[in-house]
Amino acid sequence: AQTVTQSQPEMSVQEAETVTLSCTYDTSESNYYLFWYKQPPSRQMILVIRQEAYKQQNATENRFSVNFQKAAKSFSLKISDSQLGDTAMYFCAFMPPTQGGSEKLVFGKGMKLTVNP
Amino acid sequence: NAGVMQNPRHLVRRRGQEARLRCSPMKGHSHVYWYRQLPEEGLKFMVYLQKENIIDESGMPKERFSAEFPKEGPSILRIQQVVRGDSAAYFCASSPQLSGHGYTFGSGTRLTVV
Repeated sequence: AQTVTQSQPEMSVQEAETVTLSCTYDTSESNYYLFWYKQPPSRQMILVIRQEAYKQQNATENRFSVNFQKAAKSFSLKISDSQLGDTAMYFCAFMPPTQGGSEKLVFGKGMKLTVNP
Repeated sequence: NAGVMQNPRHLVRRRGQEARLRCSPMKGHSHVYWYRQLPEEGLKFMVYLQKENIIDESGMPKERFSAEFPKEGPSILRIQQVVRGDSAAYFCASSPQLSGHGYTFGSGTRLTVV
């Protein structure tokens, strides 16, 4: 069974600084997808960034980028120029190849990020 | 496009009552997923449906829980004879197709069983 581990339950950072959130996963699959979702206090789950395992290039979305190390099964999220609005729970998630016509996401337990003014 | 709409946002039920959670997917999306988030936990997959079909219910508890996605109307997650352990946030998500792009989540329904 696939598992996703986020070992840091909580972090804080000063506004405008850079912070890195760690995530490791376990799978025997070679093709899969990885995601970071953000959950602010409103509870809405918001997709931050997505990575395809067969692509070596790390995904980037504006201030958000990932460091994808396939051999190490590591998928960290870097937030540059942190903003107060980045305060939220962050969840790392793994999607195995479509199985039986289903695309399930396996989530980590999440990490609470607080950006301080 | 209004996004994935879930209602109610909050639901309080007494032990033994039934809870019905509704989810209207985004326009044009025919794939619906339900997830449960227990306190201090990540989301856990429950069920995946397409119109009038349950495709994968491997995450659904064997008893008291059921889901449907009729030809017309929203998807419904039903929990019969609720117990305190059912208290959680229930999220619905939808996608237009299987593509590995992930899906769009609703804002969830927080169920509290008293």
